[in-house]
Amino acid sequence: GESVGLHLPTLSVQEGDNSIINCAYSNSASDYFIWYKQESGKGPQFIIDIRSNMDKRQGQRVTVLLNKTVKHLSLQIAATQPGDSAVYFCAGDYGGGGNKLTFGTGTQLKVEL
Amino acid sequence: DAGITQSPRHKVTETGTPVTLRCHQTENHRYMYWYRQDPGHGLRLIHYSYGVKDTDKGEVSDGYSVSRSKTEDFLLTLESATSSQTSVYFCAIRADRHTDTQYFGPGTRLTVL
Repeated sequence: GESVGLHLPTLSVQEGDNSIINCAYSNSASDYFIWYKQESGKGPQFIIDIRSNMDKRQGQRVTVLLNKTVKHLSLQIAATQPGDSAVYFCAGDYGGGGNKLTFGTGTQLKVEL
Repeated sequence: DAGITQSPRHKVTETGTPVTLRCHQTENHRYMYWYRQDPGHGLRLIHYSYGVKDTDKGEVSDGYSVSRSKTEDFLLTLESATSSQTSVYFCAIRADRHTDTQYFGPGTRLTVL
């Protein structure tokens, strides 16, 4: 079966530094990947997505990079702020037509002041 | 939370009792999903709906049933709750088949004693 979201469990960064959160996946068949942010006690919040025909996509302070050769996805957060502290996880759509996403377990980002 | 509410937000119940969780959306989205989130696991799909009275099973559907009699409401029922169903349950929506991103509600924390 597919697996996605082989994350490091925790990442600590200093406020103002850039953060890079990584995600590996096992199956090349996904045509769509999504990054979510989840704060404690809240539901996952959509951050950014990328299709498999792209290598890079930028949003506000965030960039997602997709390396299909090594099956690796990363989320870069520029100038990390205390409000960025949360769990971040990736998800992939393996041909379920958007109905059957596979989610990773996530990385806890801790921002140190 | 993309116009999604979940009720109740917290519930404690006893083994063997029936439990129904409600997801309500205000934006007439076609697709609705129920997930559970447990430590060490990514979000796992329980059931989803692609229209009124149209539902399908997800990865972890055993012990759960769903109903969707109106576009705005998607109900998840545990016919006879077990301790293994202690979890945080999230509802999600997707606007239509041309949109891939799922947006999540605030979650329901269920404890089965």
